[in-house]
Amino acid sequence: AQKITQTQPGMFVQEKEAVTLDCTYDTSDPSYGLFWYKQPSSGEMIFLIYQGSYDQQNATEGRYSLNFQKARKSANLVISASQLGDSAMYFCAMREGYTGGFKTIFGAGTRLFVKA
Amino acid sequence: EAGVVQSPRYKIIEKKQPVAFWCNPISGHNTLYWYLQNLGQGPELLIRYENEEAVDDSQLPKDRFSAERLKGVDSTLKIQPAELGDSAVYLCASSYSRQTEAFFGQGTRLTVV
Repeated sequence: AQKITQTQPGMFVQEKEAVTLDCTYDTSDPSYGLFWYKQPSSGEMIFLIYQGSYDQQNATEGRYSLNFQKARKSANLVISASQLGDSAMYFCAMREGYTGGFKTIFGAGTRLFVKA
Repeated sequence: EAGVVQSPRYKIIEKKQPVAFWCNPISGHNTLYWYLQNLGQGPELLIRYENEEAVDDSQLPKDRFSAERLKGVDSTLKIQPAELGDSAVYLCASSYSRQTEAFFGQGTRLTVV
């Protein structure tokens, strides 16, 4: 069965330092995609980064990178040089491929607090 | 480029009353999603459209919830009658295809009293 787990309800990081948000997943579909979204207090879900299951390289988007370890079924988000504006909820999501009907599920989220 | 637009942003209704939410997806996006987000939790899919066809509505409580996507563009989600437990944020999202990233609207916060 499709499953996403984010084990860190809350995380603190000092401004300008890097932080890793954990995400593990489970699926039997060989084709899937992994996403990270940011949800500030305003409520809108903001797409950050995507990793496909067949991608050989880890995805990067500016200060965001996805540490994809396929054998361990983990897709951790790394935020480098944290900024105060990074304080928000972060959700990991997985979308299965054709076998799984392209279903997308989200984890419970991690709340990140960036300290000045 | 305009993002996903939802209205209203906030809605307060009494239980047993009907309510409707509207979503205008990003132009050219064929896939549209409605999600329910309870406080402190991740979004849960209610229904997914591919153009005007509802391809995944397995999590939609069909006894009281209904949705439509006329002409494969705008979509409306309705609840009738609303219950106290329906209080949540209703998020609409769209994507170019079922395989690409989804972009979300700001959501509608529903409070049922």
